Amino acid sequence: QLQLQESGPGLVKPSETLSLTCTVSGGSISSSSYYWGWIRQPPGKGLEWIGSIYYSGSTYYNSSLKSRVTMSVDTSKNQFSLKLSSVTAADTAVYSCARQGRGTAYFDCWGQGTLVIVSS
Amino acid sequence: QPVLTQPTSLSASPGASARFTCTLRSGINVGTYRIYWYQQKPGSLPRYLLRYKSDSDNQQGSGVPSRFSGSKDASTNAGLLVISGLQSEDEADYYCAIYFSSTVVFGGGTKLTVL
Repeated sequence: QLQLQESGPGLVKPSETLSLTCTVSGGSISSSSYYWGWIRQPPGKGLEWIGSIYYSGSTYYNSSLKSRVTMSVDTSKNQFSLKLSSVTAADTAVYSCARQGRGTAYFDCWGQGTLVIVSS
Repeated sequence: QPVLTQPTSLSASPGASARFTCTLRSGINVGTYRIYWYQQKPGSLPRYLLRYKSDSDNQQGSGVPSRFSGSKDASTNAGLLVISGLQSEDEADYYCAIYFSSTVVFGGGTKLTVL
């Protein structure tokens, strides 16, 4: 049974870099059928796709965040990661990782999500 | 103008039907895209409901009742989610999404209240 688990600091200072890792268990991140994505949801607001990565390292980012986002993958650890630089209070959100069907908007398995607060 | 526009709220009575719209921005043809629908209840992760492109290209999510169905309205360039036989447990936020230019776009979501 596939499981995803986010890890990382729950509190980040303004102007610093938010870093999160998603560990995949019960399946291989190196599947040709899937991308691995990050989605966030500010408190009381809607879903926002941040970006996705393929096991080969190919990345796809939300154009509104592209200048601040870096995603990477470590197939040896079955993990993928998100870095969001120059954060502000507007980046406070629940960040979730999810498995995404390649070339689709189908997210079939989600991590539990982690709340990241940007505050000094 | 956003790529996907959803009404912020919708109310309906138990047993009735609820019709959610997901309007694509002008210039983006709804006929070209698979529209994905997610349900999110308070405190929970989004749950995939279904996707719809056409009557021959659609998929129901695992365990999703058949009273949840998708369609399109070409005249308004919108994807549709219809829930028939509304139940109190259907009260949730509903999001549409498309895969657009190698990115994923979510609509802003519609909050369903079952009165």
